[in-house]
Amino acid sequence: QSVLTQPPSASGTPGQRVTISCSGSSSNIGSNYVYWYQQLPGTAPKLLIYRNNQRPSGVPDRFSGSKSGTSASLAISGLRSEDEADYFCAAWDDSLSGRVFGGGTKLTVL
Amino acid sequence: EVQLVESGGGLVKPGGSLRLSCAASGFSLTNAWMSWVRQAPGKGLEWVGLIKSKTDGGTTAYAAPVKGRFTISRDDSQNTLYLQMNSLKTEDTAVYYCTPRISGIDYWGQGTLVTVSS
Repeated sequence: QSVLTQPPSASGTPGQRVTISCSGSSSNIGSNYVYWYQQLPGTAPKLLIYRNNQRPSGVPDRFSGSKSGTSASLAISGLRSEDEADYFCAAWDDSLSGRVFGGGTKLTVL
Repeated sequence: EVQLVESGGGLVKPGGSLRLSCAASGFSLTNAWMSWVRQAPGKGLEWVGLIKSKTDGGTTAYAAPVKGRFTISRDDSQNTLYLQMNSLKTEDTAVYYCTPRISGIDYWGQGTLVTVSS
């Protein structure tokens, strides 16, 4: 049981916009930055979004992050076949004194 | 360019020990918060623990499932991070990643597989 809650799956067609939600509590998302990672099959995770809505160099602006209260979202616009991957959210949890992750969302591009 | 190379994984029996290494280049370990994150086969990501930067005190923190069994340390002269794992259990089977956070940005190595099985 993950501390942060994500839908197990999401899907969309090429060119579409999809969003993936991440729900937490006041001790994690509500009071700390949210991070999003993309994991392509058989590879290590890659940082997509840091500090709620910042993109590292090299991440396309098709990817965007937002946070409101104790929830966060990752939006992917102009969906492409290469976006098919697992996506994880994460945040620091003040009560647990550790980093917590969502269970991951498997994105399928139809 | 930040580069991370984890090593030391392998097959170990329950109750055994293993030490993982993470050789870093392109930055100084002493200036970063370094975490270990693991991923069991077919499962999600799980934070294992961290060591803070030297300027932030260099203290460590651990996830509940590994507290008292795992120890994170670093060798500044070698710019290498370690994860000493004792009293290993089958549920510790996972790919282990070292991941520094530098100016808010996380970097990931390729990971090293630890299999705990009799």
